[in-house]
Amino acid sequence: AQRVTQPEKLLSVFKGAPVELKCNYSYSGSPELFWYVQYSRQRLQLLLRHISRESIKGFTADLNKGETSFHLKKPFAQEEDSAMYYCALGVDTDKLIFGTGTRLQVFP
Amino acid sequence: GAVVSQHPSRVICKSGTSVKIECRSLDFQATTMFWYRQFPKKSLMLMATSNEGSKATYEQGVEKDKFLINHASLTLSTLTVTSAHPEDSSFYICSARDTEGGHEQYFGPGTRLTVT
Repeated sequence: AQRVTQPEKLLSVFKGAPVELKCNYSYSGSPELFWYVQYSRQRLQLLLRHISRESIKGFTADLNKGETSFHLKKPFAQEEDSAMYYCALGVDTDKLIFGTGTRLQVFP
Repeated sequence: GAVVSQHPSRVICKSGTSVKIECRSLDFQATTMFWYRQFPKKSLMLMATSNEGSKATYEQGVEKDKFLINHASLTLSTLTVTSAHPEDSSFYICSARDTEGGHEQYFGPGTRLTVT
């Protein structure tokens, strides 16, 4: 079955604390993973993708095929990081399957 | 670049009427567009894949006669909710994939539909 699991609905941290948003996937094919972010009253936008192996806004995510995970990490959270984060799995030729999302709250 | 617009942003209609939502890719061509439905505090549920010049592909459980999709050009896809009922009230989001390929999608701002 094709599935994306984000076990945490809400993650609250204080500014400067490390953050890890968990994402696990289930897919028999070669996975293509993404993290999308939705800031308050804004549209969903791509944060990063595993293929690029890049760091955006201090966030990184490493694909671990053994653990079927693609956790999103940031060493020092900022208040402006507060948003809804969705992990997504690319399946077939062009579809995305989204996890249920994790709301990150960063307190001052 | 890669901007997707939706119109209207918010619509209220009466039960039994039909509502059309437009999704446009403003600065790129999109042979494939997607329509999602987002329930409160839940994830995005893919409703259908809209292919330019051909019939849309609907996900399991989505009524194609109720949610009519037309993708007449490389920059426009429309979703028509026919004979709307209160349970159709939701947030509908479209996305577009650049013709260059890959899984990356660019999302519209969404349309809030309320059926009274």
